[in-house]
This record gives sequence, structure tokens and C-alpha cells, in this order.
Amino acid sequence: KQEVTQIPAALSVPEGENLVLNCSFTDSAIYNLQWFRQDPGKGLTSLLLIQSSQREQTSGRLNASLDKSSGRSTLYIAASQPGDSATYLCAVNTDKLIFGTGTRLQVFP
Amino acid sequence: DAGITQSPRHKVTETGTPVTLRCHQTENHRYMYWYRQDPGHGLRLIHYSYGVKDTDKGEVSDGYSVSRSKTEDFLLTLESATSSQTSVYFCAISAAQETQYFGPGTRLLVL
Repeated sequence: KQEVTQIPAALSVPEGENLVLNCSFTDSAIYNLQWFRQDPGKGLTSLLLIQSSQREQTSGRLNASLDKSSGRSTLYIAASQPGDSATYLCAVNTDKLIFGTGTRLQVFP
Repeated sequence: DAGITQSPRHKVTETGTPVTLRCHQTENHRYMYWYRQDPGHGLRLIHYSYGVKDTDKGEVSDGYSVSRSKTEDFLLTLESATSSQTSVYFCAISAAQETQYFGPGTRLLVL
């Protein structure tokens, strides 16, 4: 059974820091991996999708990498801002999306 | 943002009553999904649809049924609501094995 783990569960950093959020999964047979952002009381916003054949994807200050063989993905956030404060979720697609429980990020001024 | 709406956005009901949640999309995507989100469990798939009248079960389907009579609408029904079904329900859509786009969610409280 596919299991997805995100570490750390919570993170509090000062503005301007570069961050790395981690996601690990137990079964490497995936179609793709998706990173989402969720603000309190809101739905999920898709940030990046990495296909199983890709190693990384970039969007603005966000960079996501995928190492399928080791079952790991990282989301790198450059020059963090208070507006980045949210919960970040990763999900692996094995015909269905299996979600991690998220990393709650707080960026303070 | 992808054109996905959910109704109602909030609902309070009593144990034993039927409840239907609606998801409506304007993107003409083939796949539609229903998830529930609970503290400590994250998001879990309830049911999904891969076309009109084509549906399948997800991880936590007991106590739920779905219907899709049109491409744009996917209904989730709790036949007899229980307190364990108190949750936030999200609908999502996608085109094949691609990015899933989520609706704003429905907060359901079963008393």
C-alpha cells in the first residue's frame, strides 16, 4: 500500500530564508507527483506537477525535484515571504492521488 | 482558477438524514473526484468518476454513493448521515493522469 510522508509537520522561519520541504513515498510505481498549497479554510491550489520521467519542475520561486528510485521529492522555496505561509501537501498519483498529511509553514516578517 | 463550484458550502444536518453534495465544473474534464479531509488523516479519496455514468470506489467509500449523469456534475450522497461523516468535502477534476484542480470545499457537520 502506497504511503506518503511529509517532514517536517510544521516549520516557522523568518522572511527571506530558503526552504526545503520533504515528501517521501513507499512505492516508486507512480505516474506523477503533485505539490499543492492550502490556505486555512480554503481549497487546494496546485503548485507543480512532476511526471515520473522528469527530475524537476520550476515555477517562479518554487522548484520541485523528484527521485523516484529513492521515493523522495523536495519542494524548494526561495526567498520566503509571509505570503508563503500555508500548508503544503504532496500527493503521488498511482492511478489515484495519495496525499501526505502536509507541512504547515509560517513565514514571519 | 479552474471552473469548479461546490454546493452547498456549509451544511448542518442531523444523524440519519440524507445529504447530497454537488460538484459542478465548466472545464469539460473527464475525471471528477470526491475527497474528504480530516485532521490527522489528510485528504482521502471517497469516489471518483472517469466519465458519464462511470464511477468507482476510493479508499473510504463506505456510507457514500455517487452519480454522474452529465459531464459537468458529480453528486455525492450520504444516504443516512452519521457523526463520523462530519468533515470537509472537496471535489476535484482532471484531464486523464494530469493536474487535479480542487473546488472550494463543503463543510458538513452531522449532529
